[in-house]
Amino acid sequence: EADIYQTPRYLVIGTGKKITLECSQTMGHDKMYWYQQDPGMELHLIHYSYGVNSTEKGDLSSESTVSRIRTEHFPLTLESARPSHTSQYLCASSELEASRASSYEQYFGPGTRLTVT
Amino acid sequence: AQKVTQAQTEISVVEKEDVTLDCVYETRDTTYYLFWYKQPPSGELVFLIRRNSFDEQNEISGRYSWNFQKSTSSFNFTITASQVVDSAVYFCALRGAGGADGLTFGKGTHLIIQP
Repeated sequence: EADIYQTPRYLVIGTGKKITLECSQTMGHDKMYWYQQDPGMELHLIHYSYGVNSTEKGDLSSESTVSRIRTEHFPLTLESARPSHTSQYLCASSELEASRASSYEQYFGPGTRLTVT
Repeated sequence: AQKVTQAQTEISVVEKEDVTLDCVYETRDTTYYLFWYKQPPSGELVFLIRRNSFDEQNEISGRYSWNFQKSTSSFNFTITASQVVDSAVYFCALRGAGGADGLTFGKGTHLIIQP
């Protein structure tokens, strides 16, 4: 069973506020990811990390930023929340592949449902 | 570019019926991986299966089975003798060796199992 945690599970916040969505995993995985999922829609990768001090932007452009200071922790920050940021944010982690020719499954957290009013 | 198509937006069946969820993918990579995830109403994604492009052997796990056919670029998922607890959104996903580092997801199929 996957051990990946996200807090808060639900967040309602006003426009212009700074928010940080927390994600932690206890599996020792090097790779971590953030996906954005609008209601009834597919997931889109917004950020990922290969390990400590590594952060990369994903396929979907996002105004959020991430940091990876510790292996187990991959927080996502929005400096100034807007209604367009209303969405579900899912964090995931996986083992680091030896090469691009291999791929491990990603384990997902329960998600944070963000509403910006 | 990679793409995953799940043409069935919603499927509703009566409990104990068999149901197949379709997944068609596009990729230019010769090495790639396919996945199925289940998303229950609670919101988390639950990993079900991973299959690499070199292994076309079908797989069965209890009531779940997967049919991978490279000739038609399909990776379909069948639930036999469905149960109410199977109700969820099911996502098919793809990761190519040459593409982006995350998973490319389909739009999901909402499966409703009626008692």
